[in-house]
Amino acid sequence: TQLLEQSPQFLSIQEGENLTVYCNSSSVFSSLQWYRQEPGEGPVLLVTVVTGGEVKKLKRLTFQFGDARKDSSLHITAAQPGDTGLYLCAGAAGSNYQLIWGAGTKLIIKP
Amino acid sequence: DAGVIQSPRHEVTEMGQEVTLRCKPISGHNSLFWYRQTMMRGLELLIYFNNNVPIDDSGMPEDRFSAKMPNASFSTLKIQPSEPRDSAVYFCASSQTGSSNQPQHFGDGTRLSIL
Repeated sequence: TQLLEQSPQFLSIQEGENLTVYCNSSSVFSSLQWYRQEPGEGPVLLVTVVTGGEVKKLKRLTFQFGDARKDSSLHITAAQPGDTGLYLCAGAAGSNYQLIWGAGTKLIIKP
Repeated sequence: DAGVIQSPRHEVTEMGQEVTLRCKPISGHNSLFWYRQTMMRGLELLIYFNNNVPIDDSGMPEDRFSAKMPNASFSTLKIQPSEPRDSAVYFCASSQTGSSNQPQHFGDGTRLSIL
């Protein structure tokens, strides 16, 4: 069974601090997606990483795909209250349509 | 562009009743996914349609659950009879081709409470 483990499960920090969320697996993924979900809404895609070692930046968010394509990280610099939400990683492996979803990291940024 | 549209947004009903959840995918997308999200189990894929045909229903928990996609712009997920353990948020998502390397576009979900 393919699993994606996310850590931490929950993180509450002050505005302006930096943080990193991790997504780890023993399986290799052809690509990995990061989504953010706000209360009462569905997940929204932030980024897709495809190549081992790839780094993508989205304003203050930096996403990295591990060299072996088994893990990924999301780093947020100078977190803002607007970054609050549930962050989900999802890996593409095995079947050509199914994503393996992490359990999510609930992030709260306090003003 | 209109996103994925789900209805109702909230449903509260008594156990034993039939529940029907509805989804309109993004126009032009040929793949549709139904998910269930709970605190305990996270996001679980229930069923996947491609070109209106059910491809994988291995995630449907029991025979009480059924899903249809009569045309490219409409899908339903039905629970009959409903039970309290079915309480969850149900999401519909669509993607252009269904490839796992493509983004999935989610609706805002239906929050289902079975009393």
